[in-house]
Amino acid sequence: AQKITQTQPGMFVQEKEAVTLDCTYDTSDPSYGLFWYKQPSSGEMIFLIYQGSYDQQNATEGRYSLNFQKARKSANLVISASQLGDSAMYFCAIVEEAGNTPLVFGKGTRLSVIA
Amino acid sequence: KAGVTQTPRYLIKTRGQQVTLSCSPISGHRSVSWYQQTPGQGLQFLFEYFSETQRNKGNFPGRFSGRQFSNSRSEMNVSTLELGDSALYLCASSLPTGTGGTGNTIYFGEGSWLTVV
Repeated sequence: AQKITQTQPGMFVQEKEAVTLDCTYDTSDPSYGLFWYKQPSSGEMIFLIYQGSYDQQNATEGRYSLNFQKARKSANLVISASQLGDSAMYFCAIVEEAGNTPLVFGKGTRLSVIA
Repeated sequence: KAGVTQTPRYLIKTRGQQVTLSCSPISGHRSVSWYQQTPGQGLQFLFEYFSETQRNKGNFPGRFSGRQFSNSRSEMNVSTLELGDSALYLCASSLPTGTGGTGNTIYFGEGSWLTVV
């Protein structure tokens, strides 16, 4: 079974600063994908970034980058130059790429950006 | 391109009633999954449909059901509503798993907020 652990229930960051949200995972599958989603209070789950287990380079999408350390089974999200609009819940999730299995989510981290 | 569309966004139902939620996936996506999100249980997988067939099912009672149409649109139904069914219901669409690389990206809709009173 797959598992995601997000150990930071809440985080604060100053506007324009960088912040790292932690995510560790557990899986026995050799091929998997890792996702980060942002969920504002409206409820929409917004896709941020994806990392495949066999990707050689860390994924980046604009201000978002994923610090993927396969041996340590961690996939931390780095948000650079934080903005007030980044305040939201952030979820890390994992999926087995070879089979028809659902996303498994962590409990999330609530990020608050302070002006 | 248009994203995942869920309707209705908000609804209030009475215990014992039934509810139907709709999800239109991104054009070209044939896999649709449903998730329930509550403060206590977090995000839980309900079921997944691909090519009108249920491929996977989570651990929910039979009151929760779904279907997928030939145009990939999906509906989920909850019968005999209970107070505990109050939740945000999220629909996700994707290409079939195993597509590889960023083709595996899974996109969600805005969700349907269900309140049972």
